[in-house]
Amino acid sequence: AQKVTQAQTEISVVEKEDVTLDCVYETRDTTYYLFWYKQPPSGELVFLIRRNSFDEQNEISGRYSWNFQKSTSSFNFTITASQVVDSAVYFCALDILTGGGNKLTFGTGTQLKVEL
Amino acid sequence: GAGVSQSPSNKVTEKGKDVELRCDPISGHTALYWYRQSLGQGLEFLIYFQGNSAPDKSGLPSDRFSAERTGGSVSTLTIQRTQQEDSAVYLCASSLAGRTSGSPTDTQYFGPGTRLTVL
Repeated sequence: AQKVTQAQTEISVVEKEDVTLDCVYETRDTTYYLFWYKQPPSGELVFLIRRNSFDEQNEISGRYSWNFQKSTSSFNFTITASQVVDSAVYFCALDILTGGGNKLTFGTGTQLKVEL
Repeated sequence: GAGVSQSPSNKVTEKGKDVELRCDPISGHTALYWYRQSLGQGLEFLIYFQGNSAPDKSGLPSDRFSAERTGGSVSTLTIQRTQQEDSAVYLCASSLAGRTSGSPTDTQYFGPGTRLTVL
């Protein structure tokens, strides 16, 4: 069975600090996809990134960066120079390819609070 | 381009009543998904549609839950004889295409959700 663990329930930082959100996943499949979604107070899940299991290159998009390490089954997310608008719940999710249909397995989320 | 829309945004109902939740996917997306987000259970998959058929209903928690999709577009999630434990936010997502086993997955884009409160 698949599992995603986000051990950090809540993180509080001061604006301009860097913050890393941890994600550890479990699957027996060798081919899978990992995702990060942001859920602001409005409630809508906003897609941030998708990464397949064969691509271990780190990715940077503006202030966001992702570190994928298969050896430790981790897909961590770093926000550089955090801003108040980054305050949200962030979810890591896993999708495996065996079996028909897409079915995202989500972690429990990390609540990020960025304060002035 | 409009995103995924859901209605109503909020629904309050009495225990034992039936409710219908609606999802309008992104135009051209053939795959549609329902998830439930509740305090105790986090985000849980309910059902997946490819076109009008539902190859994966494994997440529906009981036979009180059903869903249909017509015309390959709008989907309705129906909960019969609602119980207080059904209170949650019901999220709908769509993706460009669904997936048969072994092929690449498409990104799912989510709607704003319907907050259901059962009194």
